[in-house]
Amino acid sequence: DARVTQTPRHKVTEMGQEVTMRCQPILGHNTVFWYRQTMMQGLELLAYFRNRAPLDDSGMPKDRFSAEMPDATLATLKIQPSEPRDSAVYFCASAPTAWEALHFGNGTRLTVT
Amino acid sequence: RKEVEQDPGPFNVPEGATVAFNCTYSNSASQSFFWYRQDCRKEPKLLMSVYSSGNEDGRFTAQLNRASQYISLLIRDSKLSDSATYLCVVNRPNSGGYQKVTFGTGTKLQVIP
Repeated sequence: DARVTQTPRHKVTEMGQEVTMRCQPILGHNTVFWYRQTMMQGLELLAYFRNRAPLDDSGMPKDRFSAEMPDATLATLKIQPSEPRDSAVYFCASAPTAWEALHFGNGTRLTVT
Repeated sequence: RKEVEQDPGPFNVPEGATVAFNCTYSNSASQSFFWYRQDCRKEPKLLMSVYSSGNEDGRFTAQLNRASQYISLLIRDSKLSDSATYLCVVNRPNSGGYQKVTFGTGTKLQVIP
């Protein structure tokens, strides 16, 4: 059963450090999403790629966050420098197209102290 | 007004009860619709797509009302294991030439013994 794979599952880091989260979308899915979820907020869209090209990153704080797809099998989300308010669960999801159901990875639980 | 709205609940229902959730959307150009289930501290998982004619999967029935712009999810014979947060998802084309995927903030269901 194909799955979206995210690493690491958990990350604890100190404020100011760089954090890199990785995602391997399901093979053949050309649409990749990054979401952030906290207890207070629902799922916030951070970035959206189609065929590796960024289509929407309007929800991402540009000063410290960046998202890329160096190839079709890898999506990355970086935070530099990290801040305590970045503590959240970060989900990656992929879909064959954005009209179809998204498949989520297990998420990366980030804690910034 | 939010593009997709759900009653956050919680809905507390006894085992065996029937419960229904609605999700309203504001953009009439919306084209595809889904219900997801999210357990505490886990990733959202697709429960079912919502088709124009309505569809059923075991104890779950999803319906779409385009005239009133809402989708619904009906759960019959509730089980303890149905306790979760139910998220609706609405997709529509946007002005940038791609699709916009919007998640509701979720409705929490607690099934009580």
